[in-house]
Amino acid sequence: LAKTTQPISMDSYEGQEVNITCSHNNIATNDYITWYQQFPSQGPRFIIQGYKTKVTNEVASLFIPADRKSSTLSLPRVSLSDTAVYYCLVGDRGAYGQNFVFGPGTRLSVLP
Amino acid sequence: DTAVSQTPKYLVTQMGNDKSIKCEQNLGHDTMYWYKQDSKKFLKIMFSYNNKELIINETVPNRFSPKSPDKAHLNLHINSLELGDSAVYFCASSQDLDSTDTQYFGPGTRLTVL
Repeated sequence: LAKTTQPISMDSYEGQEVNITCSHNNIATNDYITWYQQFPSQGPRFIIQGYKTKVTNEVASLFIPADRKSSTLSLPRVSLSDTAVYYCLVGDRGAYGQNFVFGPGTRLSVLP
Repeated sequence: DTAVSQTPKYLVTQMGNDKSIKCEQNLGHDTMYWYKQDSKKFLKIMFSYNNKELIINETVPNRFSPKSPDKAHLNLHINSLELGDSAVYFCASSQDLDSTDTQYFGPGTRLTVL
């Protein structure tokens, strides 16, 4: 099981770009990297997923270096509503449910 | 329309009681899950259920038992509740039992055991 490490918390200001890095030194060849967002009193919500290099969608970008031992979630021009906990999840295609290991997450606070 | 719904949203009960939490998904997914989120906000998977195949996290006490009357429902039954069971329980679903499938989470059930 690939274990992930993220900063416990981060602060930012509205309009800034925020980068949250997740370390997964033991990532396996078949593992994908997925990020979820959780607002208070809600369930986690999928943000983005990738295997290598760079993935971009309407919400965020995900940068994965060649060795894949880390990944960086990039949120462009954050707003107050981006205040949430962000989870990095690593697992392999075809894995059973118990391989879904959520790390402690990064609590992002966006300040006005 | 709510994709994954749970009832109740809040549940307060006494130690030793038996309680159930219901979960329903209208996404047509084949796999459903139960997660526990404790006071430290760690999100830990308890069960995954796919086409009548139950996969249990070995750390989950056998007082917890998932029950699936059909593919759209996965209820969580808890016997002999203990103080340490207090947490937020999330139901989720995904198209298949594959970690690359997006999981859709319910709003959570906050269980408080007194």
